[in-house]
Amino acid sequence: DAGITQSPRYKITETGRQVTLMCHQTWSHSYMFWYRQDLGHGLRLIYYSAAADITDKGEVPDGYVVSRSKTENFPLTLESATRSQTSVYFCASTRGVNTDTQYFGPGTRLTVL
Amino acid sequence: SQQGEEDPQALSIQEGENATMNCSYKTSINNLQWYRQNSGRGLVHLILIRSNEREKHSGRLRVTLDTSKKSSSLLITASRAADTASYFCATMPPVNGQNFVFGPGTRLSVLP
Repeated sequence: DAGITQSPRYKITETGRQVTLMCHQTWSHSYMFWYRQDLGHGLRLIYYSAAADITDKGEVPDGYVVSRSKTENFPLTLESATRSQTSVYFCASTRGVNTDTQYFGPGTRLTVL
Repeated sequence: SQQGEEDPQALSIQEGENATMNCSYKTSINNLQWYRQNSGRGLVHLILIRSNEREKHSGRLRVTLDTSKKSSSLLITASRAADTASYFCATMPPVNGQNFVFGPGTRLSVLP
């Protein structure tokens, strides 16, 4: 049972480049989430999805795009990376409604030079 | 502004001692959850307490919730070096369409 996986685990890119972070879950969970974690801020919600083809903005969506064509995948794209997007990104999912326990992936550490 | 704020920001104790972390929040909640994060890893769910509950236990963990004070505490008894991690509280507002808000966390170090 693979659970929830993220790829790549580490990524270095340059300012202005497009970057896509992948998230895949094997549970068929309805809800999926993208967070970024920065020192002193805890986790901040970027985007979330209640089901395939349903996505919505979180607290810090600017500069990010998401899609969810399949229930199990929830990619996050940085259309034109900026240094302020250097962070650790976590994907999570919940079994039922969004009030349930969240299951987190291992994270992707992204550095934008 | 952040919904949950953990206190203290960092805590260092000896193995065998109890560790207490607190979480304060600003608005009403549906439930509150505590998560642990080991260095370089994702968050792992520890315990969920609903707004109509006052106390829950899970192994060496004890969580209390005081909705009148808008605060929760996480107690880890008989701590072990393996408990060294960051601990986060996450609050879920009662309004539909809302999502969890995480605090900045408490960094716990358990010294052998």
